[in-house]
Amino acid sequence: NAGVTQTPKFRVLKTGQSMTLLCAQDMNHEYMYWYRQDPGMGLRLIHYSVGEGTTAKGEVPDGYNVSRLKKQNFLLGLESAAPSQTSVYFCASTGWQEGNEQYFGPGTRLTVT
Amino acid sequence: GIQVEQSPPDLILQEGANSTLRCNFSDSVNNLQWFHQNPWGQLINLFYIPSGTKQNGRLSATTVATERYSLLYISSSQTTDSGVYFCAVERDNSGAGSYQLTFGKGTKLSVIP
Repeated sequence: NAGVTQTPKFRVLKTGQSMTLLCAQDMNHEYMYWYRQDPGMGLRLIHYSVGEGTTAKGEVPDGYNVSRLKKQNFLLGLESAAPSQTSVYFCASTGWQEGNEQYFGPGTRLTVT
Repeated sequence: GIQVEQSPPDLILQEGANSTLRCNFSDSVNNLQWFHQNPWGQLINLFYIPSGTKQNGRLSATTVATERYSLLYISSSQTTDSGVYFCAVERDNSGAGSYQLTFGKGTKLSVIP
């Protein structure tokens, strides 16, 4: 049971490039989330999903897109990266069997130059 | 949206000392979690505690939901307790049970030998 995993762990992009971050969970959780963490800001919710095929906007969704084609995977896309998207990105999941306690992946450190 | 305030923002302790971290929130909540972010960036679940008191070894937490605050107690602190402690709450406005968490900015704890 690997829990929540994220790919890649580190990435450097140039302004305007695109990339996709992958989150996978093996706990059969219904709910998945993408957060970003900036210095001194805590974590802020970007997008979330309440089930396969569904997505919704969180607090800071601009510049990001998401997809949940399979229950175990939640993808975060940056179509045209900007320096303001330099951050650490965390994925989390939870499910009925957990109540609503969220479990987090190890994070992806993204730098946009 | 709901506001989450943590205090103090920074705390330096001598190894062996006790401490209390506080989390105030501006509205009633369905969920409250405490996390420890270690120096490697991993977010570790400490407590899921929307109300009441829980203990886990040297750590304990109390949430008084009616007064909108939670406390995290660390006793006999160790250097491995260093890191950032986050409080996160869920205020479900939609009624759809999306379990979105709002994080405080954290308390940075440094335990010195």
